[in-house]
Order: sequence, then C-alpha cells, then structure tokens
Amino acid sequence: DIEMTQSPSTLSASIGHRVTISCRASQSVRGWLAWYQQKPGKAPNLLIYQASTLHYGVPSRFSGSASETEFTLTISSLQPDDFATYYCQQYGELPWTFGQGTKVE
Amino acid sequence: QITLKESGPTLVEPTQTLTLTCSFSGFSLTTSGVGVGWIRQTPGKALEWLGVIYWDNDKRYRPSLANRLTITRDTSKSQVVLTMTNVDPGDTGTYYCAQGTGVYYVWGQGTVVTVSP
Repeated sequence: DIEMTQSPSTLSASIGHRVTISCRASQSVRGWLAWYQQKPGKAPNLLIYQASTLHYGVPSRFSGSASETEFTLTISSLQPDDFATYYCQQYGELPWTFGQGTKVE
Repeated sequence: QITLKESGPTLVEPTQTLTLTCSFSGFSLTTSGVGVGWIRQTPGKALEWLGVIYWDNDKRYRPSLANRLTITRDTSKSQVVLTMTNVDPGDTGTYYCAQGTGVYYVWGQGTVVTVSP
C-alpha cells in the first residue's frame, strides 16, 4: 500500500495567517491526490482533487500544489470556519490510502 | 442535489456479520464513470478505504479485508450494501459511503458501529 505521511500532526495558527500542510507519498501517485476537511462529528468534505483543482464551492483561499511525491495544501488567510482536521488521500494506486490527518487549531 | 445516507446496526457482536446500507439520491449508479465507495474511520487508524462499486458493477476491495467484504447494489432502490463478515472490536468505528471512484465528492453523514459482546 502507498503510505501517505502528513505534517505536522497539529498546527496552531491565528485568524488571517497563512497555513501550509504537507503530505508525502511513499511512491508516485501521478498527481492523483485529494484533500478533505473534516470537522468534529461530521463527514469529510472534499476541498481539492488532482492535487490542485478546487472542488466546486470551495473558497479560493484554499489551494493545492504538487512536486513529485510531495503535496501541499495552503490556506492563504485562515478564517474561523477553517479550524478543522485536514486529510490527504491518494487515488493513484489501489488501495486508496489517506494521511493520518493534520489538526488546525 | 446528491445525498447519501448510511444505515445499519449500531452494535454487533464479535464474529457476527455486519450489513450496512447506503441509500443515495441525485445520481444513478448505472451512469458511466460513477461509483460509490465505503470508507471507515476508526480511532486508531484515521480514515481507511474499504472498497468501491462501479457503474458497470465492477468492484474493488481493500486487499487486507477482501476476504471479509462484499459490496452489492440494488439500482432499482438506489442502494449499495456493504457486508463485512467475522467482525471484531477492531472494526468499531464510523462507516461512510461516498460518491466517487477514486476521489470522493459527496459523503454520507456516517453511521457508528460498535463491535462488542
């Protein structure tokens, strides 16, 4: 299975600050990488797919980038609604696998 | 509007079979390119992909669980069913169904399953 490693596990940030979350794949996933946001007691919500394509309705302060097996989720200006846990997921090779999550507090 | 909702037992005894139903609306599982996946979230393993059923009734399973999982569909009822045999306490968690084949665009609210005597 492809292992997805996120860093950091927890991130403390303030409103208006820029936030960057990293996700590393143990092997190439050919850009097939998604990011989800999850709030307590709720299902994950898709933010980005194909590493950098913003899902419909997701605010433009969210962006994704990729370099080989390294992926980054950036929130340009953190808003109160953004405090949540973020997961990356690869769908380049079965079985699909998720990162362990990054909690933004 | 696409919606999905999981249903099933909240408590299952070890060694029993767990059956969960995903009822969906807003799309057809016979449309080319469409799929419904199952993902679970356990306290120790975060999010874990279990399997997917495709528009052509093809299925893929997580290899480590493949001998215990079966995914079927009833297109007339717009439902997908996940069956997991021989459950144990490690299967305790929240089970989600979601629309998609690789990336999951819309998720159900999830259903909590506890495996305990």
